[in-house]
Amino acid sequence: EAQVTQNPRYLITVTGKKLTVTCSQNMNHEYMSWYRQDPGLGLRQIYYSMNVEVTDKGDVPEGYKVSRKEKRNFPLILESPSPNQTSLYFCASTAATHRASYEQYFGPGTRLTVT
Amino acid sequence: TQLLEQSPQFLSIQEGENLTVYCNSSSVFSSLQWYRQEPGEGPVLLVTVVTGGEVKKLKRLTFQFGDARKDSSLHITAAQTGDTGLYLCAVGPSTGNQFYFGTGTSLTVIP
Repeated sequence: EAQVTQNPRYLITVTGKKLTVTCSQNMNHEYMSWYRQDPGLGLRQIYYSMNVEVTDKGDVPEGYKVSRKEKRNFPLILESPSPNQTSLYFCASTAATHRASYEQYFGPGTRLTVT
Repeated sequence: TQLLEQSPQFLSIQEGENLTVYCNSSSVFSSLQWYRQEPGEGPVLLVTVVTGGEVKKLKRLTFQFGDARKDSSLHITAAQTGDTGLYLCAVGPSTGNQFYFGTGTSLTVIP
């Protein structure tokens, strides 16, 4: 089954404690993204990756890091989380070569609370 | 500044009613997508519109891309409780390499 998996689904942590949210896709997609979703602001792209070892900032990259060492995995790292990073996070992937119909497949989401 | 403005932000209607939600921008796009997101899940693609003036139908849902490719609408006929969810429009990555989403329309269909 084609899917994007994220772990953990829920995470409560304290300010400053480093954390990693994992993301994996089994569709051999080149393009992967991380989004955060906040009420009234919609989905905002944090970082994206066009392919292995190629990452770039989205609209809200401050406080986040990513890496793309393998095509299937795209972890999101918060080196020193702060309360303003409390949000719902989604990982997504797409076959970027099909530009006319680049359907994004989303993971189930990770609800992060930073106290 | 939001690239894509959606309206209304919230919509609550009775089952059987019709409704239209809008996605507007001042920018021109080569294509636009509509997603639906249900509580506790990630968004799922409903449709991609590519040509100015294009109309696509998905059962009771009708999607239209504006002639100038700056806006789009989603019309639902005879809404059902299963239509409840957050409807999002999105563009990209032809606009640079990024995807952009609208703020969404939260639809509640009351039985």
